[in-house]
Amino acid sequence: TQLLEQSPQFLSIQEGENLTVYCNSSSVFSSLQWYRQEPGEGPVLLVTVVTGGEVKKLKRLTFQFGDARKDSSLHITAAQPGDTGLYLCAGDGGGSQGNLIFGKGTKLSVKP
Amino acid sequence: GAVVSQHPSWVICKSGTSVKIECRSLDFQATTMFWYRQFPKQSLMLMATSNEGSKATYEQGVEKDKFLINHASLTLSTLTVTSAHPEDSSFYICSALADPYTDTQYFGPGTRLTVL
Repeated sequence: TQLLEQSPQFLSIQEGENLTVYCNSSSVFSSLQWYRQEPGEGPVLLVTVVTGGEVKKLKRLTFQFGDARKDSSLHITAAQPGDTGLYLCAGDGGGSQGNLIFGKGTKLSVKP
Repeated sequence: GAVVSQHPSWVICKSGTSVKIECRSLDFQATTMFWYRQFPKQSLMLMATSNEGSKATYEQGVEKDKFLINHASLTLSTLTVTSAHPEDSSFYICSALADPYTDTQYFGPGTRLTVL
């Protein structure tokens, strides 16, 4: 069974600080996706990483896919209150229809 | 971009009643849609994969007779929670596969179900 472990589970920081959240697995994924979800809303796709060692940047967010394609990280520089939310990583579930499996998420709170 | 809507956004019902939730892809066709359930402070758990014109594929532990899925058109999938009980109270989220070659799913805003 493929599992995605996210850490930390909760993170509370001050505005302006940097942070990194991790998504780890013992399984190899052909791709990993990062989502941000706000309370009472569906998740919104931030990025998809597909190549081992790949680094993608989205403004203050930097995403990295591990060389072995078993892990990924999300680094936020100079966090802002608007970054507050639940960050989820997801990988292809191995099915033929594109189903995803999700990690449990990292709940980030950025205080002004 | 691809937009997915859900209706209703929230519903409160009495125990024993059935509730239907709609998932629509507004500006694209989706042969495949997914239904997830998210309990408070937990992640999304895939319930079933909905395929247009064929029977849905349910994940292990999900009762197909309790969670009826109908994907009658390329833009609409419905999830009916039959004989709902308080333990079915959850946040139900659908997603639609816009492009099977990229596996990119677009998520709906979710439906909050509360069963009294």
